Amino acid sequence: ETGVTQSPTHLIKTRGQQVTLRCSSQSGHNTVSWYQQALGQGPQFIFQYYREEENGRGNFPPRFSGLQFPNYSSELNVNALELDDSALYLCASSTGTPSGYTFGSGTRLTVV
Amino acid sequence: AQTVTQSQPEMSVQEAETVTLSCTYDTSESDYYLFWYKQPPSRQMILVIRQEAYKQQNATENRFSVNFQKAAKSFSLKISDSQLGDAAMYFCAYLYNTDKLIFGTGTRLQVFP
Repeated sequence: ETGVTQSPTHLIKTRGQQVTLRCSSQSGHNTVSWYQQALGQGPQFIFQYYREEENGRGNFPPRFSGLQFPNYSSELNVNALELDDSALYLCASSTGTPSGYTFGSGTRLTVV
Repeated sequence: AQTVTQSQPEMSVQEAETVTLSCTYDTSESDYYLFWYKQPPSRQMILVIRQEAYKQQNATENRFSVNFQKAAKSFSLKISDSQLGDAAMYFCAYLYNTDKLIFGTGTRLQVFP
């Protein structure tokens, strides 16, 4: 049973638009990470939040931004969508210890 | 920079047989964590097994076990008594401290009855 919920499950957007993806983590999980998984690839790290502050970022442009809220929920925002942004976006949460992360089922974003 | 390599894009196994998935990684760190995740068509990444690098004993979880060779930077997953429900993408991943997970490109496992 997953403790991480992502919404929506699927989304279609037009190039140039903006999108917000949401993640609800398990209670007590103060660390949340977002990953982008292109078709046929492994997930790529976008950024990580710890206690509402960004504390790590992968090789993604500034149009990818995020927020983490006190209620263990978080958002991934992507501005000026490009066709290459089409991917599965995964949210993962943990207690902050290096013991592994719990993943949600992802949001499938299609940019047309 | 740390990297994770999975050289087997696809593997297949007969039900009840044993299969081994390979993973190599590169790091200059001495304490880190290695994981195998399973991703079925439902898309959720499910943790299969975890290995802490400072522990010499290979991790086991029921039918799943690893062969961790720290000097060789190798971390293979053995699935015994394979079941149809084991069919999925399997990702090897590396974690240093509380930093980001670094994933390999995955191995698609097919299980035949």
